[in-house]
Amino acid sequence: GNSVTQMEGPVTLSEEAFLTINCTYTATGYPSLFWYVQYPGEGLQLLLKATKADDKGSNKGFEATYRKETTSFHLEKGSVQVSDSAVYFCALSVGRASGGSYIPTFGRGTSLIVHP
Amino acid sequence: DGGITQSPKYLFRKEGQNVTLSCEQNLNHDAMYWYRQDPGQGLRLIYYSQIVNDFQKGDIAEGYSVSREKKESFPLTVTSAQKNPTAFYLCASTPLRALNPRNTGELFFGEGSRLTVL
Repeated sequence: GNSVTQMEGPVTLSEEAFLTINCTYTATGYPSLFWYVQYPGEGLQLLLKATKADDKGSNKGFEATYRKETTSFHLEKGSVQVSDSAVYFCALSVGRASGGSYIPTFGRGTSLIVHP
Repeated sequence: DGGITQSPKYLFRKEGQNVTLSCEQNLNHDAMYWYRQDPGQGLRLIYYSQIVNDFQKGDIAEGYSVSREKKESFPLTVTSAQKNPTAFYLCASTPLRALNPRNTGELFFGEGSRLTVL
């Protein structure tokens, strides 16, 4: 079956520090990969995505590259801000041959805390 | 603006009572999902539906029920059989790939409903 493993948190950083949150996956077929972000008391929002190998997704200064050879999709940001404090979820979706619905697979989430 | 609306945002229930969480979307999506979120456990799939009048159990369906009478609506009932219902519940949707080949499987989420059993 499909699975997503991401580093456990919380990750605690000072403002302007470099961020890496590791994510690795196992999947049958050719998955699309996603990072979602969840702010306190809210639902998840898509942060970025990549649909094929070597694609780089980017948004709001965050980046992640789809690495098929290492089955990874690590999230990075060069300089974090206090407002980036949230929970980050790595996820994958594999489309079914029948064209039916996706059943996405989520990691457990990594809490990021950024101090001023 | 298109989106997913969940209500209520906060709900308190006495033990032994059934409660229904509402999820409505105006994105014209065919597939809808219910997830449960507990601290440190990520998201766990309760039920999902691809089309009207059809739905499938997810990983933790026991103690829950759903209906899909309209494309826009996918309500979740937490029954008294659910032994530990206190949690944050998230509804999501996405187009069916067969009907939208450019869809990559991205989910669109509501704001969530927090259920507390007293």
